[in-house]
Amino acid sequence: AQKVTQAQTEISVVEKEDVTLDCVYETRDTTYYLFWYKQPPSGELVFLIRRNSFDEQNEISGRYSWNFQKSTSSFNFTITASQVVDSAVYFCALSEAVYNTDKLIFGTGTRLQVFP
Amino acid sequence: GAVVSQHPSWVICKSGTSVKIECRSLDFQATTMFWYRQFPKQSLMLMATSNEGSKATYEQGVEKDKFLINHASLTLSTLTVTSAHPEDSSFYICSATNTGDSYEQYFGPGTRLTVT
Repeated sequence: AQKVTQAQTEISVVEKEDVTLDCVYETRDTTYYLFWYKQPPSGELVFLIRRNSFDEQNEISGRYSWNFQKSTSSFNFTITASQVVDSAVYFCALSEAVYNTDKLIFGTGTRLQVFP
Repeated sequence: GAVVSQHPSWVICKSGTSVKIECRSLDFQATTMFWYRQFPKQSLMLMATSNEGSKATYEQGVEKDKFLINHASLTLSTLTVTSAHPEDSSFYICSATNTGDSYEQYFGPGTRLTVT
């Protein structure tokens, strides 16, 4: 069965600290997609990244970086030099879509609070 | 591009009444739309998958007679909460897939429903 686990419910850091949000997933399929979304207090989901199961290269986008390791079924997200504007709930999600869009399975989310 | 809107952004209704939420893809055609529900401080839970011109597929535990979904065109899907009760109060989010990029879901800003 598909499952996404975000063990960290809440994380609090002080501005400029680095923070890593953990995501562990379960799937029986060999082809799947992993996502990270940000949900600020306004509620609107902001897409951050999509990674397919065949691409294990780490990715960096500005202060954001992602570490995908199939061996441990993890897709962790690191924010470097955190800022107050990074405060939000972050969701990791899994989709087994191949040729057709399939449903997203969301983790329970990690609430990140960045204090000035 | 790939903008999804929802209307209304928030609604308050009395117990026993019905309320309709619209989800529109503004600049692309969406063959599939998804409806999620999010209770406070919880994750997004998929309610149903809606394909244009056909009946929606509901997730286990979601009452199809209570949550009526219509996807009459490639740019519009509606969710009607019938005979609403206070326990239906939640944040409802839709997403749509772009037929040109079937692995990507674009999320609407959400509708906050409060049933008094």
